[in-house]
Amino acid sequence: SQKIEQNSEALNIQEGKTATLTCNYTNYSPAYLQWYRQDPGRGPVFLLLIRENEKEKRKERLKVTFDTTLKQSLFHITASQPADSATYLCATNRDDKIIFGKGTRLHILP
Amino acid sequence: DTAVSQTPKYLVTQMGNDKSIKCEQNLGHDTMYWYKQDSKKFLKIMFSYNNKELIINETVPNRFSPKSPDKAHLNLHINSLELGDSAVYFCASSQRGGGYEQYFGPGTRLTVT
Repeated sequence: SQKIEQNSEALNIQEGKTATLTCNYTNYSPAYLQWYRQDPGRGPVFLLLIRENEKEKRKERLKVTFDTTLKQSLFHITASQPADSATYLCATNRDDKIIFGKGTRLHILP
Repeated sequence: DTAVSQTPKYLVTQMGNDKSIKCEQNLGHDTMYWYKQDSKKFLKIMFSYNNKELIINETVPNRFSPKSPDKAHLNLHINSLELGDSAVYFCASSQRGGGYEQYFGPGTRLTVT
């Protein structure tokens, strides 16, 4: 069956370092991948979208890559700050629907 | 200005009751969605509407009925509430369906006792 997986349930990173989160997909080829941030008690907030014909997208300290050979997207936060602590969700299309991964809780340690 | 708003934010009710959650977006988007986020934080799509027309209807019990009076509003009515319906329900909208970013509301935490 078509799946999207975020392997790490939680990740602790020291402030100032680069945080890297992984999203893997199996048994299909998505047209795009999206990344969202969710803070406790709030709805997800869109961060970046990368399409299958793009290798990399950047926005300020954020960078997303899309590797169709590895069937994987990586989400990087450079120069991480405690304010970056949140749950990060990847999402992609499955047929006409959008499906979300279970998320990775990122903790940036001061 | 709130882009996607939901009411109520919290809803506590007893099993067997019927309740509604309202959603409005002022972004001029064509597509609106309802998601359910369970206690394990897994976000799952329930319904999608495009210009008041039902596009996606995931495997959701018939007790859940969405209604879209116009493309800026998508309400969710739930009949005969069950304990397993307890979750956070998010409304979202996007410019169109497919590969467009979604804007989420603040969520409605439903607790069924």
